[in-house]
Amino acid sequence: QVQLVQSGAEVKNPGASVKVSCKASGYTFTYYGFGWVRQAPGQGLEWMGWISAYNGRTNYAQKFQDRVTMTTDTSTSTAYMELRSLTSDDTAVYYCARITTNNNNWDAMDVWGQGTTVSVSS
Amino acid sequence: QVVLTQPSSLSASPGTSASLTCTLRSGFNVDTYRIYWYQQKPGSPPQYLLRYKSDSDKQQGSGVPSRFSGSKDASANAGILLISGLQSEDEADYYCMIWLSSAVVFGGGTKLTVL
Repeated sequence: QVQLVQSGAEVKNPGASVKVSCKASGYTFTYYGFGWVRQAPGQGLEWMGWISAYNGRTNYAQKFQDRVTMTTDTSTSTAYMELRSLTSDDTAVYYCARITTNNNNWDAMDVWGQGTTVSVSS
Repeated sequence: QVVLTQPSSLSASPGTSASLTCTLRSGFNVDTYRIYWYQQKPGSPPQYLLRYKSDSDKQQGSGVPSRFSGSKDASANAGILLISGLQSEDEADYYCMIWLSSAVVFGGGTKLTVL
């Protein structure tokens, strides 16, 4: 079955970087994109950006533009999201989600990873 | 400025229907957009429910019961998620979403209580 399995919880010091992985299975990796969404404790969903698994094209939310990098590795069917210069405000659950396409446009985020908790504290 | 506004909470009784709204800010015409709906239960990732733009452009998520449906209220410039035959398991947070210039925008979410 289609599933996305994310890497485990991380604890980081302020100023550090974190790299979260999202391993896909059960479908053709390059036919879809990946979205990254985070959720701070008790808060709503916040979109971070997307990456096309077909050509590696990315689009980052303006808020994260200068400190996020999203990549994919087609040989292992894995997507990655790296966030740099962490502060306590980055403490959140980070989700990857598969993005479908419809008429050459991005469509639904139809399958989600289980989430990765990132805690930033000194 | 917030693009998608959702009521923070809503309560409804089992067996009744609940209508969750997602209002677009002035200047964003609801007719233009596909509205996506997600359900999130505590401790779990969001789950895709459905997409609705019109009766001819809609999609139900895989395995999502037909008692979840989408519509629009053009007069209110809002997308609507209708849940009929409410069950206790429907108690969750619900988020709407649109694509805006190749970026995703989420609403703030509605906490639905079934009691």
